[in-house]
Amino acid sequence: DTGVSQDPRHKITKRGQNVTFRCDPISEHNRLYWYRQTLGQGPEFLTYFQNEAQLEKSRLLSDRFSAERPKGSFSTLEIQRTEQGDSAMYLCASSFHIDRNTEAFFGQGTRLTVV
Amino acid sequence: AQSVSQHNHHVILSEAASLELGCNYSYGGTVNLFWYVQYPGQHLQLLLKYFSGDPLVKGIKGFEAEFIKSKFSFNLRKPSVQWSDTAEYFCAVNVRNTGNQFYFGTGTSLTVIP
Repeated sequence: DTGVSQDPRHKITKRGQNVTFRCDPISEHNRLYWYRQTLGQGPEFLTYFQNEAQLEKSRLLSDRFSAERPKGSFSTLEIQRTEQGDSAMYLCASSFHIDRNTEAFFGQGTRLTVV
Repeated sequence: AQSVSQHNHHVILSEAASLELGCNYSYGGTVNLFWYVQYPGQHLQLLLKYFSGDPLVKGIKGFEAEFIKSKFSFNLRKPSVQWSDTAEYFCAVNVRNTGNQFYFGTGTSLTVIP
């Protein structure tokens, strides 16, 4: 499968625990995005990378959230001291940005439940 | 505030009925426009996109959308829906000069009754 891959698909954690999600983008894609989606809402932007550089972060991304893309390939999203409000679907997308016309390809998402 | 608005939150249609889902955006400048579809249990998939040129774009599975710049709209249409079109539909905007992220609407849930 050459699409965007996310791991794990589901994560249940206790409040206060740390969790880490992984995203493997489509191999030639230079941009990688993280989004969060809650029930009844569209995806909300969290952050994005151009190669290994994190170029933009949403105000939604509190200090408890950190994302990395160390070698410009896969990315990780870590949430520290999880709260019940963090329960959501976390989506990763990637795109090949060569000019101003680009489209994003999404992974299956990681569903986080904080209990 | 800048936003993407989808007016229909939940639509129920019988098979063979025509579909039109509204999408309006409030971002200035030149935009790229998209419709994504999410079938039950599956990931978001691109249905169609508009970058430039003919404002009437055709996508997969018989869907089309029309970009009306003066109305800041990008409505999705299909002349005859099928049961398999039951899904969540999301309109998205990418502002070309920034190009940094995709802004999504809240989605429209379509249920097609056989």
